[in-house]
Amino acid sequence: ETGVTQTPRHLVMGMTNKKSLKCEQHLGHNAMYWYKQSAKKPLELMFVYSLEERVENNSVPSRFSPECPNSSHLFLHLHTLQPEDSALYLCASSQDKSETETQYFGPGTRLLVL
Amino acid sequence: DQQVKQNSPSLSVQEGRISILNCDYTNSMFDYFLWYKKYPAEGPTFLISISSIKDKNEDGRFTVFLNKSAKHLSLHIVPSQPGDSAVYFCAASAVGAQKLVFGQGTRLTINP
Repeated sequence: ETGVTQTPRHLVMGMTNKKSLKCEQHLGHNAMYWYKQSAKKPLELMFVYSLEERVENNSVPSRFSPECPNSSHLFLHLHTLQPEDSALYLCASSQDKSETETQYFGPGTRLLVL
Repeated sequence: DQQVKQNSPSLSVQEGRISILNCDYTNSMFDYFLWYKKYPAEGPTFLISISSIKDKNEDGRFTVFLNKSAKHLSLHIVPSQPGDSAVYFCAASAVGAQKLVFGQGTRLTINP
């Protein structure tokens, strides 16, 4: 398998549930990202990890908790979400965290919070 | 406060003609600009980029123009093909910022 994969592709959860989004990259990259895309809004950066260390937390509420156990895997743990958190969550990776490096995106997880 | 804006949510172009997608930015610290293309049910894919030291970059049918004084960039696709139908995102970054700022996207439809 190549590129960036994300699971699940679709997720429906209640506000009291706990769930996790998974991202895996098979490109040998050192930087990984979580983005959120809400309807009719730009892609918003949530978190950046470089060599498994978080280097950017873009003022994201604590109900979103990222985890990067190694350079190939990135998780987004979700708990007590709100309906306005319903969005497309995209994972990306790049060779390093330089802003000029091309980012490769996964297909996204479409999340619906009821 | 949206730093990167794509004011046209959609654009429809005849096959074979030129498609022009526009993007405006407000942050004068941005010095690197990219275009990404997104098909339904897929993540965005990198298309073309330009550094602020240049005003034009060309790659096959795709050309990006940068007008720094107007804080404006555009993507030209010529000739447009049906496979170009997708959502196009403009993105910008500043040196050391370690992050891209994206526009809202423009949905391009190429009509046969």
